[in-house]
Amino acid sequence: GAVVSQHPSWVICKSGTSVKIECRSLDFQATTMFWYRQFPKQSLMLMATSNEGSKATYEQGVEKDKFLINHASLTLSTLTVTSAHPEDSSFYICSARDPNYGYTFGSGTRLTVV
Amino acid sequence: GENVEQHPSTLSVQEGDSAVIKCTYSDSASNYFPWYKQELGKRPQLIIDIRSNVGEKKDQRIAVTLNKTAKHFSLHITETQPEDSAVYFCAAGSAEYGNKLVFGAGTILRVKS
Repeated sequence: GAVVSQHPSWVICKSGTSVKIECRSLDFQATTMFWYRQFPKQSLMLMATSNEGSKATYEQGVEKDKFLINHASLTLSTLTVTSAHPEDSSFYICSARDPNYGYTFGSGTRLTVV
Repeated sequence: GENVEQHPSTLSVQEGDSAVIKCTYSDSASNYFPWYKQELGKRPQLIIDIRSNVGEKKDQRIAVTLNKTAKHFSLHITETQPEDSAVYFCAAGSAEYGNKLVFGAGTILRVKS
């Protein structure tokens, strides 16, 4: 079935540094990738939608200059958390529509900012 | 935009009993309604989905019903087992809004043996 590979699975970074998270669709072309953030014991909140070759669309309240999204190819989308702070610590997860018109999720990235 | 409400937030059932989780959505343009099971620290796993041209769908012990008029859909799990314990999320999506999924708040299901 459709697979989305997400890396890293966890990362610890110092406050003020940037962290890049990658999602790759392994066996299909993902023209659209969705990026979610999930705080402990909460739901998945959509942050932005990235489309290959164009600018990402951010949800209301999400800072586009802080969460940089790049979707440079049909199989790779990246999320960069810039100048990370402890409040950015969360579980970040990507999702892509697969050829069967379902949604395939990456395995998630646990970000801890210290 | 779309808003999805999910109830209950926690549900405890005895092993073998049935569990029902309900969701309502606000946007009549939504036409895809998946249910996900998520274990701690892991990705959501699709357990069943339904599209708006169908009223009910069943897969072994799991079923989903959709009432488009009332804008609500429900997950039914029969003969629950301890391994069904997890967090369950409903979601709604539509092509009109770029196919993005909006998730409910989640239900913690505990199956007691």
